[in-house]
Amino acid sequence: DTGVSQDPRHKITKRGQNVTFRCDPISEHNRLYWYRQTLGQGPEFLTYFQNEAQLEKSRLLSDRFSAERPKGSFSTLEIQRTEQGDSAMYLCASSRTSNTGELFFGEGSRLTVL
Amino acid sequence: EDQVTQSPEALRLQEGESSSLNCSYTVSGLRGLFWYRQDPGKGPEFLFTLYSAGEEKEKERLKATLTKKESFLHITAPKPEDSATYLCAVHHTGNQFYFGTGTSLTVIP
Repeated sequence: DTGVSQDPRHKITKRGQNVTFRCDPISEHNRLYWYRQTLGQGPEFLTYFQNEAQLEKSRLLSDRFSAERPKGSFSTLEIQRTEQGDSAMYLCASSRTSNTGELFFGEGSRLTVL
Repeated sequence: EDQVTQSPEALRLQEGESSSLNCSYTVSGLRGLFWYRQDPGKGPEFLFTLYSAGEEKEKERLKATLTKKESFLHITAPKPEDSATYLCAVHHTGNQFYFGTGTSLTVIP
């Protein structure tokens, strides 16, 4: 069990640039989640995939954010035209379809927008 | 509006001093309540799932309990390595898990 891996772990970018994060879930997990976490806050739901289908998106997710999960394996989260308010830890989690409770989180990708 | 509220925000304990963390929720149609531990700079790590009022789960020095409106995470005789942020999350309709803001626990040797 190699766990959920995320890349890059840290990203510093200038306002207005585009950034992309990658998540590799645990191989047998069908469900994949993206969360955002800022300092002192709990993780905030962004979006959810079952296999390759994006089934839910937070209404807080602006149109600058897009996520994909081609072939139901790894996932990417792209942020276009980054803003300073996008600075946060972006967490990916995966779970088995049959287990609704236990999310396995990666170590996150920390974004700093200057 | 659905809410998950954790208290206290921060807790400092002497090693061996037992205490409890609280998670209160107002979601309707609860499908599960979950406790996670998060170390600085890391992703949350799953601890427990509770599904119905009266249910209890234990793991080493931790015990989680659930009522119809809140959950408690009891920490018995904590050690410094128990220092972390403890997050509560609820799962109701759909497939979203709503997290509280967490309790930051510091255990002093």
